[in-house]
Amino acid sequence: GAVVSQHPSWVICKSGTSVKIECRSLDFQATTMFWYRQFPKQSLMLMATSNEGSKATYEQGVEKDKFLINHASLTLSTLTVTSAHPEDSSFYICSARVSTTYEQYFGPGTRLTVT
Amino acid sequence: GQNIDQPTEMTATEGAIVQINCTYQTSGFNGLFWYQQHAGEAPTFLSYNVLDGLEEKGRFSSFLSRSKGYSYLLLKELQMKDSASYLCAAMDSNYQLIWGAGTKLIIKP
Repeated sequence: GAVVSQHPSWVICKSGTSVKIECRSLDFQATTMFWYRQFPKQSLMLMATSNEGSKATYEQGVEKDKFLINHASLTLSTLTVTSAHPEDSSFYICSARVSTTYEQYFGPGTRLTVT
Repeated sequence: GQNIDQPTEMTATEGAIVQINCTYQTSGFNGLFWYQQHAGEAPTFLSYNVLDGLEEKGRFSSFLSRSKGYSYLLLKELQMKDSASYLCAAMDSNYQLIWGAGTKLIIKP
């Protein structure tokens, strides 16, 4: 299957700082990538859909100025959590969609802890 | 509205067979996905059905009935490592995935 990497796998940061998470499709091109957040024992929550070369589409209730998404190439999307607060602590997972089959493959996730 | 229903939790015995059902209602339909998610890890792709019928992949099989808005994931010869959450997701007319809440499968020895 297709491989998606995510970096870093975990990060601890202080309240008020910004954190950037990278998502890469390693062996395929992904015109569309997705960013999810998952709190413990809860379902995946789609935050935004990222299309290469255009602005991301955010789900209702997700602050676009707080969660900055950049999809600069067909293999890389980044999520920047700006001015992080403890309530932003969560498991952030990206996925990339294969353009031809629409199958969606997930990165391993990034566990963010804001102190 | 769009909706995915699947059981919250199921329990099965090692070596047995378990079927996890999923019903969906979406605006348009472009296929049904199953993912496995172990605790603390990201989901991994299991199967994709877009045509009616059963698709088999080793111990795992997935079935789809488009007319009934119904799918199931069948796991055979259960192993302890199969303990995980199983997520059903339907793709709508905009090629967006609509996710179920997941079924937590507990395997007992």
